[in-house]
Amino acid sequence: SQQGEEDPQALSIQEGENATMNCSYKTSINNLQWYRQNSGRGLVHLILIRSNEREKHSGRLRVTLDTSKKSSSLLITASRAADTASYFCATTLFQAGTALIFGKGTTLSVSS
Amino acid sequence: GAVVSQHPSWVICKSGTSVKIECRSLDFQATTMFWYRQFPKQSLMLMATSNEGSKATYEQGVEKDKFLINHASLTLSTLTVTSAHPEDSSFYICSARAPRDSTASPLHFGNGTRLTVT
Repeated sequence: SQQGEEDPQALSIQEGENATMNCSYKTSINNLQWYRQNSGRGLVHLILIRSNEREKHSGRLRVTLDTSKKSSSLLITASRAADTASYFCATTLFQAGTALIFGKGTTLSVSS
Repeated sequence: GAVVSQHPSWVICKSGTSVKIECRSLDFQATTMFWYRQFPKQSLMLMATSNEGSKATYEQGVEKDKFLINHASLTLSTLTVTSAHPEDSSFYICSARAPRDSTASPLHFGNGTRLTVT
């Protein structure tokens, strides 16, 4: 089953620019997490925001959560070529088990 | 930090054969591991939840007799793709959560296994 929908599906920017990715979900959540995946590799956890939080920062990452709109955004500031990857939002549902349900992902390409 | 090791990283097999993929938690004990499948340019789809010492819980649409999961110890879960066919070609990723972590905590992922069935 798919919970989240990210947009845009693909994003191409220049180094130094900011990248914003959005995620929408369908049901009530416990928390929302963002992961990064380099091509052909596993996923790396970036940041977790709980359902009672509205904004969270970690280095160049800023995540917002709007539970009334069932949406979240991930902002990467001052992007670098090394940020090129796919980014996924994932949720833990209240009523489901402890597995993460992933969105479709945004593929970010940062050119130098 | 918690490390999950997955082996092999890639495998090519002939149609009709079986392939076993191992997922190990290297520095923690994982009572629960999760297996995901990812097709090219798509997201991760949860296949099953593997519980140590008990039967795996499969997601709707995933054939349990085709994708055999064994979680015989607290550090090892295996996924066996039986009688593989070309449509089973995909990227399989395992993940785990340390017992001390809450159910809301992040998952630790292996690096995935690229399966190609010819």
